[in-house]
Amino acid sequence: QVQLVQSRAEVKKPGASVKVSCKASGYRFTNYGISWVRQAPGQGFEWMGWISGKNGNTNYAENFQGRFTMTTDTFTSTAYLDLRSLRSDDTAVYYCARDLSGYDWAPDAFDIWGQGTMVTVSS
Amino acid sequence: QLVLTQSPSASASLGASVKLTCTLSSGHSSNDIAWHQQQPEKGPRFLMKINSDGIFRKGDGIPDRFSGSSSGAERYLTISGLQSEDEADYYCQTWGSGIHVFGGGTQLTVL
Repeated sequence: QVQLVQSRAEVKKPGASVKVSCKASGYRFTNYGISWVRQAPGQGFEWMGWISGKNGNTNYAENFQGRFTMTTDTFTSTAYLDLRSLRSDDTAVYYCARDLSGYDWAPDAFDIWGQGTMVTVSS
Repeated sequence: QLVLTQSPSASASLGASVKLTCTLSSGHSSNDIAWHQQQPEKGPRFLMKINSDGIFRKGDGIPDRFSGSSSGAERYLTISGLQSEDEADYYCQTWGSGIHVFGGGTQLTVL
């Protein structure tokens, strides 16, 4: 069964950091890329960026350059999203999603989604 | 600029059919799109990918009553024989110019 399983919900204070994980199973991790998508409470989806499962190449959306870092561990088939200097407006559900295109940056539909990780930033 | 436009809400009766629309911005009418379903308090689920010719490819396990079509810059998702579990938010997604873009979503109410 192809799936992406994400880490549990987190509550952090402003200025702190958090690392969200996304473990893939049921397919060869290195054959695909992973995108990260943010959904603020009651809002739609915002694409944050993409990382290759094969070589770690990245492509960040303009609004998410600087405080956000995507990485992978091919040995454990896991993608990570690091969020630093958290602010209250970072409160959202963060999703990972598999990109149909493959391990090179050639955007395509997202065909598998993780269950989401709620990150709450509050003092 | 790559933008997807969706109506905020739609409604239809149990057992009826409904057609949701996603409109591509000017200059992008040939883009492929994907449809995703998000049931209340759940993560999204991929429904299908549709090209400009109206050819669609569904995700694993998606029932036959979900289908897709296209006309010009519009991409459609049709749900036949509506069931209560189809009450959800439906988002379209496209990609190009180095980015992914989502529509604002349509909240479907099953009456």
